[in-house]
Amino acid sequence: KQEVTQIPAALSVPEGENLVLNCSFTDSAIYNLQWFRQDPGKGLTSLLLIQSSQREQTSGRLNASLDKSSGRSTLYIAASQPGDSATYLCAVLYNTDKLIFGTGTRLQVFP
Amino acid sequence: NAGVTQTPKFRVLKTGQSMTLLCAQDMNHEYMYWYRQDPGMGLRLIHYSVGEGTTAKGEVPDGYNVSRLKKQNFLLGLESAAPSQTSVYFCASSPRSLGLFFGEGSRLTVL
Repeated sequence: KQEVTQIPAALSVPEGENLVLNCSFTDSAIYNLQWFRQDPGKGLTSLLLIQSSQREQTSGRLNASLDKSSGRSTLYIAASQPGDSATYLCAVLYNTDKLIFGTGTRLQVFP
Repeated sequence: NAGVTQTPKFRVLKTGQSMTLLCAQDMNHEYMYWYRQDPGMGLRLIHYSVGEGTTAKGEVPDGYNVSRLKKQNFLLGLESAAPSQTSVYFCASSPRSLGLFFGEGSRLTVL
């Protein structure tokens, strides 16, 4: 079964900390992996997309890495801010065309 | 450029009633997906389509039907609504290589 797991489920940190969010997938036959953020009661905002042939992508304070062989992706957030508080979701597009989401990491950054 | 549009955005049904959610995209994307999101469950894939006239089952297809008669539209139907189908439904489209583009969501309540 193609599954996606995110650890931790929730995280609360003081402003300024560097953070690592993890996404694990059970099948390495993936086409790409995408990270999203979701604010309460809102839709999903795309953050980063990594193709299966890539190792990492960067956008501002965000960096996402991909290791297909170990079935892992990591989202690194540098110098966290209260505005980063949201739920972060990873989505894996498998070569079977199924696109499966993880359950998310709920992040709270306090001043 | 409207992107991905979901109709309706809110709906209240009684148990046993039927309804159809419409997802329309104007980006000429081949792939379209329907997800449901419940508290603590993340997004779960209901059905998806890899092109006009094709549909496939996702993780939680029971109680739902879909159709993709036109490339730009992906319809999600509930033939006999149940309280367990109370959820927020998200539609997404994708050109596959460039990740997902989401609609704003449709909130369905079944009494």
